[in-house]
Amino acid sequence: DVKVTQSSRYLVKRTGEKVFLECVQDMDHENMFWYRQDPGLGLRLIYFSYDVKMKEKGDIPEGYSVSREKKERFSLILESASTNQTSMYLCASSLRDGGRDEQYFGPGTRLTVT
Amino acid sequence: AQSVAQPEDQVNVAEGNPLTVKCTYSVSGNPYLFWYVQYPNRGLQFLLKYITGDNLVKGSYGFEAEFNKSQTSFHLKKPSALVSDSALYFCAVRTHPSSNTGKLIFGQGTTLQVKP
Repeated sequence: DVKVTQSSRYLVKRTGEKVFLECVQDMDHENMFWYRQDPGLGLRLIYFSYDVKMKEKGDIPEGYSVSREKKERFSLILESASTNQTSMYLCASSLRDGGRDEQYFGPGTRLTVT
Repeated sequence: AQSVAQPEDQVNVAEGNPLTVKCTYSVSGNPYLFWYVQYPNRGLQFLLKYITGDNLVKGSYGFEAEFNKSQTSFHLKKPSALVSDSALYFCAVRTHPSSNTGKLIFGQGTTLQVKP
């Protein structure tokens, strides 16, 4: 079974703090993704990575950065958290096979910025 | 521009009745289409996908979906709904046919409520 784990289920941070969200997958997947989920907006892609040290911006990268130093780990960084970054954050991974493979999701991190 | 639309925010159905959750898409080239389900306070779980071949795709938990190229639709169906099917359902389409990255565009989600 593919397993994608995220470091926290719930997180509360103050405005201006630097926030790290960690994601680890155990299936040797090349692709990893970070989404945020907001009611009525579905999932929006923040960043993705198709290999170690490789990253590309998604649809809403502003205010976020990422790091992928090892194949199994993909970190999302909020450089200076703001209240409009309060959201559910979902990590996912997939094989790099032309997009045929489904994405496997972690349980999510609900982040509240006060 | 490539997009996915789920026209219904919520679908209500009685247990035992058939259910349909609608999805339409707009994408250049041949689409790869996916359905995911999200139970409360959980991540998304894969249900089924259409890549090529038979237009009727069968997936997990008795769900199926029909790819209709002329109507650019990929509706999710189940012949007999269960209360435990109540959840949030997302349709997704792979972006850019020639992309190898597997990026997806998601619809806004449809809440399915099955009442006993």
